[in-house]
Amino acid sequence: EIVLTQSPATLSLFPGERATLSCRASQSVNSYLAWYQQKPGQAPRLLIYDTSNRATGIPARFSGSGSGTDFTLTISSLEPEDFAVYYCQQRGNWPLYSFGQGTKLEIK
Amino acid sequence: EVQLVESGGGLVQPGGSLRLSCAASGFTFSSNDMSWVRQAPGKGLQWVSGIGSGYSTSYADSVKGRFTISRDNSMNTLYLQMNSLRDEDTAVYYCAKRAAPHGSYFDFWGQGALVTVSS
Repeated sequence: EIVLTQSPATLSLFPGERATLSCRASQSVNSYLAWYQQKPGQAPRLLIYDTSNRATGIPARFSGSGSGTDFTLTISSLEPEDFAVYYCQQRGNWPLYSFGQGTKLEIK
Repeated sequence: EVQLVESGGGLVQPGGSLRLSCAASGFTFSSNDMSWVRQAPGKGLQWVSGIGSGYSTSYADSVKGRFTISRDNSMNTLYLQMNSLRDEDTAVYYCAKRAAPHGSYFDFWGQGALVTVSS
């Protein structure tokens, strides 16, 4: 079973600052890692897939990078609407899908 | 426009049963793998079960033997039959579409159905 560990659990930043969120896998997931954004009371929204590809309609300030076991979601300059919880996710053999525990990005 | 609309949530006693439905539109439902993902109050996301376009199924250990996923392609509807419900099954249940043709992620999600297991 592949376990995804996200850090930090909470990240406090000002609007306009750069955010760097980490996701570490217990074993290689190749490039098959996705990131989601979730706001209170809403369903998750796909941001990044296959490590670095932005989903349709996602602003260019969101970018993903990494390989193997270490992955990063970067938000270059935070907008007020970016403060939310972010999850990474991978698809493996068992369980079929797993998620990290989430990073809460809050306004400082 | 892709739409996924869950229904069937509610309050049920421990040991009881409930069936969730997810009505899909805006894409070729029969050609897509689908999953259920849940989120307990204040907690993170947990994959529950998936069904392929060829009807193969998979379950998380925590629900295996109690939950059954199925699909009706003629109705463009995904189901989750939940039996022997426990307090820890309390969560918002989302249906999610796997990105086609062989994506490793979910490109669309429903708004969720709340299931509360309590006496």
